[in-house]
Amino acid sequence: AQSVTQLGSHVSVSEGALVLLRCNYSSSVPPYLFWYVQYPNQGLQLLLKYTSAATLVKGINGFEAEFKKSETSFHLTKPSAHMSDAAEYFCAVSDRGVYSGAGSYQLTFGKGTKLSVIP
Amino acid sequence: DSGVTQTPKHLITATGQRVTLRCSPRSGDLSVYWYQQSLDQGLQFLIQYYNGEERAKGNILERFSAQQFPDLHSELNLSSLELGDSALYFCASSAGGPTEPRYGYTFGSGTRLTVV
Repeated sequence: AQSVTQLGSHVSVSEGALVLLRCNYSSSVPPYLFWYVQYPNQGLQLLLKYTSAATLVKGINGFEAEFKKSETSFHLTKPSAHMSDAAEYFCAVSDRGVYSGAGSYQLTFGKGTKLSVIP
Repeated sequence: DSGVTQTPKHLITATGQRVTLRCSPRSGDLSVYWYQQSLDQGLQFLIQYYNGEERAKGNILERFSAQQFPDLHSELNLSSLELGDSALYFCASSAGGPTEPRYGYTFGSGTRLTVV
């Protein structure tokens, strides 16, 4: 089964500073990878996804992530943090066949990283 | 508005009771997924449906069941509720089928269940 590790359950950055949220996955084959954001009392919103095209993926709200196969990483970055970026961020990997024999995929999520932005 | 509708938004019930959570997927999406989010376990996959058919089961307790109806809405039934079942329950839908992971999911805003 594939798994996702997010380093740091809580990250604090100053407004205007670089945001770096780390995600490592375990997979023997190139996976599909996703970043989601969850604002308080809301559902998860897709930020960006890697589907084996370009390794540098651009998403919404100025976020981007780079797929590095050699490092099994898919870290999320944003050059300049804004107060509105304060939220919880989840990395997810597609997972196949763990739960069924029909080859269905599901997303397996990391534990999440809560981002705080200091004014 | 993500297009995935979950009702109710909040639910408070007593131990031993049974509740039903409802989800309407985004228009055109045939796949529905249920997840449980708790502080200690994070986001846990419960069950997956595609066009009315169950396709995969995750960490779903035997006390829990679900179905997807011909109009594609889905219901998650939780019975004999325990304090530990208190959590956020999310429904998500996908434009892709069960073997098409590249689409990702669209999540509803969740149902917060509190068991007292």
